[in-house]
Amino acid sequence: QQQVKQSPQSLIVQKGGISIINCAYENTAFDYFPWYQQFPGKGPALLIAIRPDVSEKKEGRFTISFNKSAKQFSLHIMDSQPGDSATYFCAARGDDKIIFGKGTRLHILP
Amino acid sequence: EAGVAQSPRYKIIEKRQSVAFWCNPISGHATLYWYQQILGQGPKLLIQFQNNGVVDDSQLPKDRFSAERLKGVDSTLKIQPAKLEDSAVYLCASSLFRRGNTIYFGEGSWLTVV
Repeated sequence: QQQVKQSPQSLIVQKGGISIINCAYENTAFDYFPWYQQFPGKGPALLIAIRPDVSEKKEGRFTISFNKSAKQFSLHIMDSQPGDSATYFCAARGDDKIIFGKGTRLHILP
Repeated sequence: EAGVAQSPRYKIIEKRQSVAFWCNPISGHATLYWYQQILGQGPKLLIQFQNNGVVDDSQLPKDRFSAERLKGVDSTLKIQPAKLEDSAVYLCASSLFRRGNTIYFGEGSWLTVV
């Protein structure tokens, strides 16, 4: 119940395309869903986050779509750029702990 | 604003040896976390401190791992004796509050056990 399942494991997208990463959870007590971006050799950094009472949140080229009934949420990166190449982690907060998915390695082709 | 500082950045040790990692969180952050990130996986919480008290250490292998946060500021994570499967990046992170929305990570301490 404490897991966050993330897919795909890796993703290759052409420059200018849309990157989509999906996550699913079981625990309905989760109350906050962040996405983290991690570049090689660096720690993860918060990218964007959403609460379960909101169905969508957009910040620049990054959008989270949240489906509470399906217990799924996804990250959409519009107009993907080579600089977006990184590993992305979805996460969820429950019992004051942040649980991370296994990550998606995104590569944007120039 | 200075970020989360960690040292050493890299460490190679033989199995059964000991190692210690140090972390200095962002100034004023009450909550400090140690995560273990094995290659190709997401970070796994090992221990969470609120000031100098332990909030959660349910996934800390207590027979070999220990951590402390004296005076509620910086923290040390120790592994003794190390096993091959401890090879990972040890990420320290901090947040302003216990339910802080943003967790700030350091760059990590890379451990290789041979």
